[in-house]
Amino acid sequence: RKEVEQDPGPFNVPEGATVAFNCTYSNSASQSFFWYRQDCRKEPKLLMSVYSSGNEDGRFTAQLNRASQYISLLIRDSKLSDSATYLCVVRSSGGYQKVTFGIGTKLQVIP
Amino acid sequence: DTGVSQDPRHKITKRGQNVTFRCDPISEHNRLYWYRQTLGQGPEFLTYFQNEAQLEKSRLLSDRFSAERPKGSFSTLEIQRTEQGDSAMYLCASRRDSPGPYEQYFGPGTRLTVT
Repeated sequence: RKEVEQDPGPFNVPEGATVAFNCTYSNSASQSFFWYRQDCRKEPKLLMSVYSSGNEDGRFTAQLNRASQYISLLIRDSKLSDSATYLCVVRSSGGYQKVTFGIGTKLQVIP
Repeated sequence: DTGVSQDPRHKITKRGQNVTFRCDPISEHNRLYWYRQTLGQGPEFLTYFQNEAQLEKSRLLSDRFSAERPKGSFSTLEIQRTEQGDSAMYLCASRRDSPGPYEQYFGPGTRLTVT
């Protein structure tokens, strides 16, 4: 089983739609969770950290479910500019605090 | 620009040649990471520094790869005797030390093509 698993997609959604991505992780000792956005042939950019109580930033909502070991990202009112790959990132505790990236989920917002 | 910078942005080299990439992290970040990313994959961890100390290396990092961060500021990643399988985007990231925040900030990457 991969340490961090994501559905690679692509998810093709119309403008204005709501779309949700899930990510599962295998290490129950994982401490920190993030969503990054990566545009084609660009570097990953931090979208948001994921907190235990869930958090929201504008149209984006992140949730963490430690019992089931998954995190989610909800995007409301999708914009064309949201088209990108969304990477799930998990940081473990101890040692060098290993950071593992998922394969990424590709989102294409269609006019 | 106070972000992470990498140089060069693109490198085309012939198989068997040596290449060296440079990363300048955000100035107050003492943790520095190198990743490799191929098409359709997420970034894969290569190695990590805390200040000048290299604390972890991935099994992906063969003996042809070496990384340094001599003064705890910029870092270099060298690949000797390049192979076509080394073609990838090489990403550098940095972050603050504990207690956090733990978010890593990435440079624009160096795209390596080995012909």
